[in-house]
Amino acid sequence: QSVLTQPPSASGTPGQRVTISCSGSSPNIGNNYVCWYQQLPGTAPKLLIYRNTQRPSGVPDRFSGSKSGTSASLAISGLRSEDEADYYCAAWDNSLSGWVFGGGTKLTVL
Amino acid sequence: EVQLVQSGPEVKKPGESLKISCKGSGFTFTSYWIAWVRQMPGKGLEWMGIIYPGDSDTRYTPSFQGQITISADRSITTAYLQWGSLKASDTAMYYCARSDDFGSTLDYWGQGTLLTVSS
Repeated sequence: QSVLTQPPSASGTPGQRVTISCSGSSPNIGNNYVCWYQQLPGTAPKLLIYRNTQRPSGVPDRFSGSKSGTSASLAISGLRSEDEADYYCAAWDNSLSGWVFGGGTKLTVL
Repeated sequence: EVQLVQSGPEVKKPGESLKISCKGSGFTFTSYWIAWVRQMPGKGLEWMGIIYPGDSDTRYTPSFQGQITISADRSITTAYLQWGSLKASDTAMYYCARSDDFGSTLDYWGQGTLLTVSS
């Protein structure tokens, strides 16, 4: 049972825009930054979004993040087949003094 | 170029001990925290604990406290994750990742070490 809640799956067709939600609570998302990771099959997680909305160098601007209260979202526009992956949200939790993750959302590009 | 290179896959029997490694390069190892994250087969990510090689300050998440030991050797810019007595339920992929401050974003990750524990 993950501390942060994500939908287990999402899907879209090439070119479409999809969003993935992440719900938490006051000790984590409510009072700390959210980041998002992309995990392609058989590879390590890769940082996609940090500090709620920031993209590391090299991440396309098709990926965007937002946060409101105790929830956050990842949006992917202009969906491409190579976006098919698992996506995880994460936030520091002040009560646990550690990182907490969502259970992951498997994105399928139809 | 920032790199975290982990040791290779391991196959162990229940009750055996193990230490896996994570070698950092391309950054000042003693100025970053190194975290360990577990991913059980087909499951999500779980934060296990973290160490600051600069002074060996180490923290564990409650569910892993007492089950693992995290350490680091500054001289060879390597962090370690250790078990004293493995269980089948320790079978998982283990990742190391760095952050520039306690509680800050885990920005670079190692490639992972696959541990299989089976009799």
